[in-house]
Amino acid sequence: SQKIEQNSEALNIQEGKTATLTCNYTNYSPAYLQWYRQDPGRGPVFLLLIRENEKEKRKERLKVTFDTTLKQSLFHITASQPADSATYLCALTPSSNTGKLIFGQGTTLQVKP
Amino acid sequence: DARVTQTPRDKVTEMGQEVTMRCQPILGHNTVFWYRQTMMQGLELLAYFRNRAPLDDSGMPKDRFSAEMPDATLATLKIQPSEPRDSAVYFCASGLGQGGPLSNEQFFGPGTRLTVL
Repeated sequence: SQKIEQNSEALNIQEGKTATLTCNYTNYSPAYLQWYRQDPGRGPVFLLLIRENEKEKRKERLKVTFDTTLKQSLFHITASQPADSATYLCALTPSSNTGKLIFGQGTTLQVKP
Repeated sequence: DARVTQTPRDKVTEMGQEVTMRCQPILGHNTVFWYRQTMMQGLELLAYFRNRAPLDDSGMPKDRFSAEMPDATLATLKIQPSEPRDSAVYFCASGLGQGGPLSNEQFFGPGTRLTVL
């Protein structure tokens, strides 16, 4: 069956450290993979998109990698801050000609000062 | 700045009642999505439209849910009759959706928190 898996356990790290979140998928060949941030009581907010032929994408303190052989994406936040505390969702686009997204369950990140 | 709006923000109703949720997508976006989020299931796609035409509603219970786009500025999601298991946060999102990476970003509204007693 098709699945997208993110670590359901919360990730707790110290301010200034690098947070690394994992997204694994099975039985998909996604055209794109995206990461969203969701704060309590709010809708998800788009962060980064990476294509199937890209290995890595960066935006300020954020970095995403995409390994289609391992069927895995890693999401890194460097020099983490308490304001980075939120739930992070990965989502994949099953095919390139639709805007449809399939979301993982999300991983909650807590950055402690 | 442009954003997706949803009404109502909160809705408490009794089992068997009809519920209508409304969404105004960002002007110029031609793709609209409806999602449901619960602790158990996470964020699930219910239906989506492109240029007001339904493209996929396979995630939606057909017997009680219906989604429409009466015009380009309004999308509705209706539940009739509502049941306690429908309690969730319902999100609307919009995007450009023409294919290609730039069009795949989705902009989410604040959600409607539905409680069915």
